[in-house]
Amino acid sequence: EVQVVESGGSLVQPGGSLRLSCAASGFTFSSYAMSWVRPAPGKGLEWVSAISGSGGSTYYADSVKGRFTISRDNSKNTLYLQMNSLRAEDTAVYYCAKMGGYRGPDYFDYWGQGTLVTVSS
Amino acid sequence: EIVLTQSPGTLSLSPGDRATLSCRTSQSVSSSYLAWYQQKPGQAPRLLIYGASSRATDIPDRFSGSGSGTDFTLTISRLEPEDFAVYYCQQYGRSPITFGQGTRLENK
Repeated sequence: EVQVVESGGSLVQPGGSLRLSCAASGFTFSSYAMSWVRPAPGKGLEWVSAISGSGGSTYYADSVKGRFTISRDNSKNTLYLQMNSLRAEDTAVYYCAKMGGYRGPDYFDYWGQGTLVTVSS
Repeated sequence: EIVLTQSPGTLSLSPGDRATLSCRTSQSVSSSYLAWYQQKPGQAPRLLIYGASSRATDIPDRFSGSGSGTDFTLTISRLEPEDFAVYYCQQYGRSPITFGQGTRLENK
C-alpha cells in the first residue's frame, strides 16, 4: 500500500525557517517525482515545488522561488522542503504528493494528510 | 501560466442525479494532460481522473472524464451520498502545474 506521511509543520515567526519531511513507503521511491502542494485561499490548490526521481531536477512556483528548497534522500525514502524567509502568506497545510511519472510536470496519484505551517508573530 | 476556470462554483444536486462539472483552460492543454481530484473536509485530495479520461485506481465507473484542447468535463453519472465534496481540475501539460479554483458539489 502506497503511503506518504508528512511531518515538521509548526508555528514559526515571519522571516523564520522550517523544514518539512515526507516519509514514503509502498512504492519504488526513486522511480517517481515528488511534489509539495498547498491550498491557496480563494484559488483552490497551489503547486509549490517538485523534484525528479533522481533528485537531479527541481522545479518551483514563482511564489516560493529563492526561499524554498526541495530535496530528497532516496536511501531513506524521504522528501524534504526547506522553507526560509517565511511570510504570513505561506501559512497553509502542506501536502506531500507522489507524482505519476519520473519527472514533472505530472498528475498526483497519492497524497499525504498534510502538515500545518503557521507563520505568525 | 495556464489559468483553469471551473464552473459552476457550486452545484446543488440530490443523490441519484447526474453531475456535470466543467473546466476551461486559458491555453490548449497538450496531449490532454488534465486531471480531476475530489477533496472532502479534513482530507487530502484524491485523484479521480488523469489524461482527461483515464480513471485512477479504485475509482468507481460512475466517474468519467472527457474533453480536449481547452474544454474538459467531469461527469458523475449517478450521485452517491459520499460524492458530495469539492472537485478540482489540474493541468500538467505545461509548467507551472496549475489548478482550478474548485467546484463545490452540495447535497440539495
